[in-house]
Amino acid sequence: KQEVTQIPAALSVPEGENLVLNCSFTDSAIYNLQWFRQDPGKGLTSLLLIQSSQREQTSGRLNASLDKSSGRSTLYIAASQPGDSATYLCAPPRDDMRFGAGTRLTVKP
Amino acid sequence: GAVVSQHPSRVICKSGTSVKIECRSLDFQATTMFWYRQFPKKSLMLMATSNEGSKATYEQGVEKDKFLINHASLTLSTLTVTSAHPEDSSFYICSASPASGPQETQYFGPGTRLLVL
Repeated sequence: KQEVTQIPAALSVPEGENLVLNCSFTDSAIYNLQWFRQDPGKGLTSLLLIQSSQREQTSGRLNASLDKSSGRSTLYIAASQPGDSATYLCAPPRDDMRFGAGTRLTVKP
Repeated sequence: GAVVSQHPSRVICKSGTSVKIECRSLDFQATTMFWYRQFPKKSLMLMATSNEGSKATYEQGVEKDKFLINHASLTLSTLTVTSAHPEDSSFYICSASPASGPQETQYFGPGTRLLVL
């Protein structure tokens, strides 16, 4: 079964910093990998989807990379803002969705 | 641990019929339940947020008259796909957030695979 681990569990940074969130998965036989954002009491919002044939995907200040061979993905957030504060989750979309515990990000003004 | 069940796990129906999918939190009360849709090998997309005792909030592009959501109790939410068509065939997943504890906690159900012929 797929196991997903995210590091760090929590991260607090001052506004403006660039930061990296890490995601590792045990089963490299994935079709793609998706990064989500979760705000308290809200559903998961999809941020980026990286196809298995891609190595990275960019959306605004977000850049996600995927290395299937090593079972890793990173989410890079540039020039962080207080509005980026949320929990970030990654998962390879599949029938039995397995998420890691996520990384809780706090960006201080 | 918190368990969320979905019923049925798999359903095949004829085009034009309606299908109801149940999502239950088995050992906790869930004030909020979420419905997601997943296409084969593709991403998981949030369809709607369901709060007990109130109308569901639908994401942009999701037809509320097509996908009826009812959250009548703290342990049950239902998704009814009305007048189903082949393009509605998909994997539907629900998740539930406990009434107590961190609001960001979500427990996912095992999903329901719908095939419309």
